Amino acid sequence: GIQVEQSPPDLILQEGANSTLRCNFSDSVNNLQWFHQNPWGQLINLFYIPSGTKQNGRLSATTVATERYSLLYISSSQTTDSGVYFCAANYGGSQGNLIFGKGTKLSVKP
Amino acid sequence: DAGITQSPRHKVTETGTPVTLRCHQTENHRYMYWYRQDPGHGLRLIHYSYGVKDTDKGEVSDGYSVSRSKTEDFLLTLESATSSQTSVYFCATARDRGNTEAFFGQGTRLTVV
Repeated sequence: GIQVEQSPPDLILQEGANSTLRCNFSDSVNNLQWFHQNPWGQLINLFYIPSGTKQNGRLSATTVATERYSLLYISSSQTTDSGVYFCAANYGGSQGNLIFGKGTKLSVKP
Repeated sequence: DAGITQSPRHKVTETGTPVTLRCHQTENHRYMYWYRQDPGHGLRLIHYSYGVKDTDKGEVSDGYSVSRSKTEDFLLTLESATSSQTSVYFCATARDRGNTEAFFGQGTRLTVV
């Protein structure tokens, strides 16, 4: 199966700062998703992005499938952005189940 | 967002008792999954289903069984709960197994004492 690695593991920002989270995966993927796990434990879908670039408000994501990485950009961070960000992928040999990275824990200070 | 409801949301149970967690979806998605989330391990697949009565094991299936008698419902059973099964359990669904987006339920926090 594939390996999914995220960096950095922890990130502390002041409100208003920008950040880039990285996800590397070890093999070709069918599906690449970014999630935000909020302080209440809910997993919120941010992006479904097996390739290309998408934007949603202050968040955007880019996946370069040929180079096996994806980036999540957070601009003008807010305290509500705090939580853990997960990258997850599946690959051709799987049954559609997602392989998760260990996450990036983001803390945005006021 | 997909309509995925997990029940119960929280449960405390004693070692050795059976426990059943329920996942209900309203999206008519074919694929359903049960994951557990533990510190240091992230989310790991327990079991999955690719249709009514069609299920298979995932990475951490020991001590768990599943059933899917209807498209919308996927049950996870701990036959005899152990403290190592204390975890947060997530259900997920996907329309298909390939290039489709997966959606997650709110999670169930299970504590085995």
